[in-house]
Amino acid sequence: EPEVTQTPSHQVTQMGQEVILRCVPISNHLYFYWYRQILGQKVEFLVSFYNNEISEKSEIFDDQFSVERPDGSNFTLKIRSTKLEDSAMYFCASSLSGRTGELFFGEGSRLTVL
Amino acid sequence: SQQGEEDPQALSIQEGENATMNCSYKTSINNLQWYRQNSGRGLVHLILIRSNEREKHSGRLRVTLDTSKKSSSLLITASRAADTASYFCATDDNDYKLSFGAGTTVTVRA
Repeated sequence: EPEVTQTPSHQVTQMGQEVILRCVPISNHLYFYWYRQILGQKVEFLVSFYNNEISEKSEIFDDQFSVERPDGSNFTLKIRSTKLEDSAMYFCASSLSGRTGELFFGEGSRLTVL
Repeated sequence: SQQGEEDPQALSIQEGENATMNCSYKTSINNLQWYRQNSGRGLVHLILIRSNEREKHSGRLRVTLDTSKKSSSLLITASRAADTASYFCATDDNDYKLSFGAGTTVTVRA
C-alpha cells in the first residue's frame, strides 16, 4: 500500500541551526501539508502546498519556515534558525483531492532543539 | 479558526465496552473526518462524513453529524485493547486546510 515517508525520524539540533525535514508523498497525490504536534498537544496546521505553490499557511509558519517541492517527488520543510519552541513532531501529509478526501500522514520527524 | 474540539479529553473503558467521543466546531463545513493516532505515530484516517450525511458506519465505528448543532460523535463499539489511541476530529476550513481538535485519549483496559 502506498505510504508517505519522512526522514529523518529524529533530529537533534542546536538552537539557531538550520533544519530540513524531508517527505516523500504518495506519488499521484496533488495536495501536500505540514503539521506539527508539540508533545501531548494538538496537531497544528503549518502549511499546505498545491500546484507548486503555498496555498495556505498558519500564523506559526513565519519567515523562518519555508517549503519546497524541488524534484516532483520530495516535499521539504526548512526551518532557517531553530528556536527551542520549534521542538515538536513534524508530520507531512498528502491528499489526492484536498478537502474532499482523506489525508495520508507520514510517521513524523521528531525535532529536538537544544 | 474552524478547529474542532473533542470531548472528553480522556476516556478509560473496559475491553468490550463502547467508547463515545464528541466533537464540536464553529462554522459551516463540507466534510468532517475522524483520525486515530497511536502513541508516537502518524495519524490514520478512520472515516469521513459529508455535511449532507447524518450517520455513517465503518466496521465497529459509527459517526454521526448534526450540522444544526455543529457537532459530531464517534462511537467505537465492542472496544479492544488495540483501540487504545488518541482520536481527533478534523474539519475543512477551505480547500487547502484541515484543522484538528485537541483529541480524545482512549484507554481500553483488558
